[in-house]
Amino acid sequence: DAEITQSPRHKITETGRQVTLACHQTWNHNNMFWYRQDLGHGLRLIHYSYGVQDTNKGEVSDGYSVSRSNTEDLPLTLESAASSQTSVYFCASSGLAGGTDTQYFGPGTRLTVL
Amino acid sequence: AQSVSQHNHHVILSEAASLELGCNYSYGGTVNLFWYVQYPGQHLQLLLKYFSGDPLVKGIKGFEAEFIKSKFSFNLRKPSVQWSDTAEYFCAVKSSSWGKLQFGAGTQVVVTP
Repeated sequence: DAEITQSPRHKITETGRQVTLACHQTWNHNNMFWYRQDLGHGLRLIHYSYGVQDTNKGEVSDGYSVSRSNTEDLPLTLESAASSQTSVYFCASSGLAGGTDTQYFGPGTRLTVL
Repeated sequence: AQSVSQHNHHVILSEAASLELGCNYSYGGTVNLFWYVQYPGQHLQLLLKYFSGDPLVKGIKGFEAEFIKSKFSFNLRKPSVQWSDTAEYFCAVKSSSWGKLQFGAGTQVVVTP
């Protein structure tokens, strides 16, 4: 069955370190998204991609970057981790052009920045 | 600003009670509406969605939601909850003008035996 996976599932890092969270989907979806989930805020969009070599900023993109070199993967990089980036991160994907359809979510990565 | 509001942050109810969770949005124009559920320790799963047609939408596990365009609402309902419905529920809206999925803050539902 097609799926979307994230790794690692848990990560503890220190302030100032670079961290990369992996997202891999086997749906062959063009669209991929990164969200962070914080209490009282629901999920907020960090970055998204509508295809290979395409990346776009979401509503909370400062301090994060993504790259899309193939259809299956959209890694999220925290350039210099900050305590404010302690959160649960979810990757999602969808198939239709422009991301207009249902998004399917990965299991999440819990990141703690000390 | 565009927003999605979920009226209750926490709901506690007994098994067999009825559940209704409110969701309102502030977008104009065409919208796609979703309810997602997150069971403890798990990822988000789609409960149901509305794109067009019958405004009463039936989803999985006995849930349904009604789109009322005049009230900008998409409330989730279940007539009789079970302990296994304990989860966090998120309303999400995608508008044609913005094009991205925007989530409400979520409602934590606890069902007691």
